Amino acid sequence: NAGVTQTPKFQVLKTGQSMTLQCAQDMNHEYMSWYRQDPGMGLRLIHYSVGAGITDQGEVPNGYNVSRSTTEDFPLRLLSAAPSQTSVYFCASSYGAGLDSPLHFGNGTRLTVT
Amino acid sequence: RKEVEQDPGPFNVPEGATVAFNCTYSNSASQSFFWYRQDCRKEPKLLMSVYSSGNEDGRFTAQLNRASQYISLLIRDSKLSDSATYLCVVNDGQGAQKLVFGQGTRLTINP
Repeated sequence: NAGVTQTPKFQVLKTGQSMTLQCAQDMNHEYMSWYRQDPGMGLRLIHYSVGAGITDQGEVPNGYNVSRSTTEDFPLRLLSAAPSQTSVYFCASSYGAGLDSPLHFGNGTRLTVT
Repeated sequence: RKEVEQDPGPFNVPEGATVAFNCTYSNSASQSFFWYRQDCRKEPKLLMSVYSSGNEDGRFTAQLNRASQYISLLIRDSKLSDSATYLCVVNDGQGAQKLVFGQGTRLTINP
């Protein structure tokens, strides 16, 4: 049972480059989200989706796009990478909302923008 | 004021000790509360959900105080394997699963 799969695990970009972080889950979860984690900041929500075809912004959405064409996949696109986007990115999914629907996280993507 | 605040620590305690963490949240509409555990350079994993009446899972006890807007985590008889960062997580009260994370409390258990 794969759970939440993120690729790549590591990535180095130059300022201005674009790329897509992939996220897939095989648990038929409706809810998916992307977080970034920076030292001393905790995890911050970038974008989330409550189902296929529905996305919304989180706390720090600028510079990122998402789409949700299927239940399984929720890619995160960096449009024009900036050094401020150097971070660890986590994708997460859950069955729904509430105490009985905890988040399941992927292993993370460590991104460095030079 | 941060939505979710935790003492970042680090907490260094001897094996077998009891340790307690508190976390305060600012949104009175929040309905869901969790403690997650994160090992170094790993993804967060659910430790336990926090129910209104409080709940216990083995050596771990979580409490919720809605009036004062804080949640707590108590670890009894701590083990070396309990060394990790503990994240307090609260939903933002707007229905969807928009969770707000505290910055985490780092715990090291010493032999």
